[in-house]
Amino acid sequence: DAGVIQSPRHEVTEMGQEVTLRCKPISGHDYLFWYRQTMMRGLELLIYFNNNVPIDDSGMPEDRFSAKMPNASFSTLKIQPSEPRDSAVYFCASSGDRRRGYTFGSGTRLTVV
Amino acid sequence: QKEVEQNSGPLSVPEGAIASLNCTYSDRGSQSFFWYRQYSGKSPELIMSIYSNGDKEDGRFTAQLNKASQYVSLLIRDSQPSDSATYLCAVNRRGYSTLTFGKGTMLLVSP
Repeated sequence: DAGVIQSPRHEVTEMGQEVTLRCKPISGHDYLFWYRQTMMRGLELLIYFNNNVPIDDSGMPEDRFSAKMPNASFSTLKIQPSEPRDSAVYFCASSGDRRRGYTFGSGTRLTVV
Repeated sequence: QKEVEQNSGPLSVPEGAIASLNCTYSDRGSQSFFWYRQYSGKSPELIMSIYSNGDKEDGRFTAQLNKASQYVSLLIRDSQPSDSATYLCAVNRRGYSTLTFGKGTMLLVSP
């Protein structure tokens, strides 16, 4: 299995631009999570899906953030418009059994200038 | 009170020593506990899980859980420089599908 695949690995964009992060979970995993990691706040859950349905988006910072999961093998996290304070590493993770923990993707390092 | 607390470190130990990493959590209903290792610039990697009080050993790693005291620890025996990383404690609360992470403890193992 290729694991959780995220793209792009790095993204540098100007303030105000739209940013789209992509994730392909491990086949057969029915949970997908988006986390954001910063030095100050650590790993923060943004949103998670179960069987492609958003279950809890209470961690999404504001309306500029949106996430979709159109099918079991693909999810996107979109920021529009982006701001410098959105700079962070964004991780996607998937799980087939929450008792067994998650598998993380390699992350997307986002820099908004 | 933070949900999952860890000392940020760094914890410095010499090669061959035992490294002890600790984590406390606030929700008594928590059921599953995990340790992740994160190398600088990399993603978190699951190394241990524990669900019942007591010890669980896997190679050089031992996870310890004490639900009454609400703490979980990770012992690394015969520490190696390659163990130098940030170790994240994660907790799954009963009835939730998500993990809450501590901010991690940086471990430095010197040759």
